[in-house]
Formats: sequence, C-alpha cells, structure tokens
Amino acid sequence: KAGVTQTPRYLIKTRGQQVTLSCSPISGHRSVSWYQQTPGQGLQFLFEYFSETQRNKGNFPGRFSGRQFSNSRSEMNVSTLELGDSALYLCASYDRLGGNTEAFFGQGTRLTVV
Amino acid sequence: AQSVAQPEDQVNVAEGNPLTVKCTYSVSGNPYLFWYVQYPNRGLQFLLKYITGDNLVKGSYGFEAEFNKSQTSFHLKKPSALVSDSALYFCAVRDMRGGATNKLIFGTGTLLAVQP
Repeated sequence: KAGVTQTPRYLIKTRGQQVTLSCSPISGHRSVSWYQQTPGQGLQFLFEYFSETQRNKGNFPGRFSGRQFSNSRSEMNVSTLELGDSALYLCASYDRLGGNTEAFFGQGTRLTVV
Repeated sequence: AQSVAQPEDQVNVAEGNPLTVKCTYSVSGNPYLFWYVQYPNRGLQFLLKYITGDNLVKGSYGFEAEFNKSQTSFHLKKPSALVSDSALYFCAVRDMRGGATNKLIFGTGTLLAVQP
C-alpha cells in the first residue's frame, strides 16, 4: 500500500507570490490534516478535511486555505507569501474522522520564501 | 486548555544505555496520546499510542511508553539505545474539544542524541 505522497518536496517562492501544495493520502483514507512545522513555533495545526468538507481550522490567517477532492486528495494554498511562511508543511492521512487511529504523515513540502 | 509539554529540548545517552524522553499532558477527559519520531528532512513516523487499557504500551523499534494518569505523564522509553535512534521525538495528544476530529496538539519535540 502506497504511503502519503506530498508534492512538490521543495519549493522556493518570492514574497507576494502564491503557492499550492498537494497531498495524496493512503488509498482508502478519507481524512487529511495539514500541519506547519517551523523551528520557532513547532508543529501547528492548519486544517483538516473529511469527505471534501473542512471540519476544523487552526489559528492561521485567511491567506491559508485548502480543499479536498472527491478522491480524498487535498491541496493547500498560501497566497501573498511572507518570509514567515517558510516552513515544512506536513500532511497527515487518516482512515476516519475522530477515531483512535494514528496519523500517517507524508515527507512534507519544504517551502522557502525569499 | 489542552496542551503537551516536553521539558527537555535534548536528551543525550550512550549507546546500549536505557533512554527516557519525557512528556506531560493537560487535557479534559481521557487522553489519546501518541509518540512520533522525525528524522532529518522527513515526515513524522508513528511509534506508539495510548487510548485505553494497559498503562505500558509497546510500539515500534523496541520503544515503549508508560501512561501515568496521576502524574499526567506519558514518557517514552527504550531499554537499550541505538545510534540509529538519534532523531527528533514528538509527543502529541488528540484534541477532543469540538466533536469528531483528528487534530493533534504536539509538544515542542525532544532531540535524542545517542553517542556510540
């Protein structure tokens, strides 16, 4: 069974640009969560999706958005990039919402904003 | 507020010695607790979880964790450390507020350095 796939692995963008990151969960998994990891703030929850609906959102500005498609793949978008958005963005895949199962993480997308 | 604390930024241990990485939590209700490991430039890998039942939980790669409700702790342990165990370890708790969610609250991470 293939794991969680995040693309691209690395991105370099300029301030003010926008970026779209992609996450393909494990086959059969219907829930996807996104996290931002930085040295200063650690791992912070961005949002989670289940059955194409955003179920929960973290404390991030509106420049951060996401969506989930009918095949459970998810994308997150960051508009008007700022230097502080430089981070490792991690996607987590779950087989269900709200159960006691563990998250399966992708390898992440390393975003650098210059 | 729900939170997780990892009081040590770094733990140093000699290969072959036992290791402990500490975690304490603060939640309302019964906690769902997890340990993950992260190698450089990689995502998080699941090690073990506590949902209910036995306080001693066994996980991957010889790791185990002890749930202590009275001390609100969930320390990660391994009887004999390997150099290859050197990595960043995260403790996490499921955020049970607001209904069904998979949202995790993570600790700040502990860097484990195992010296040969």
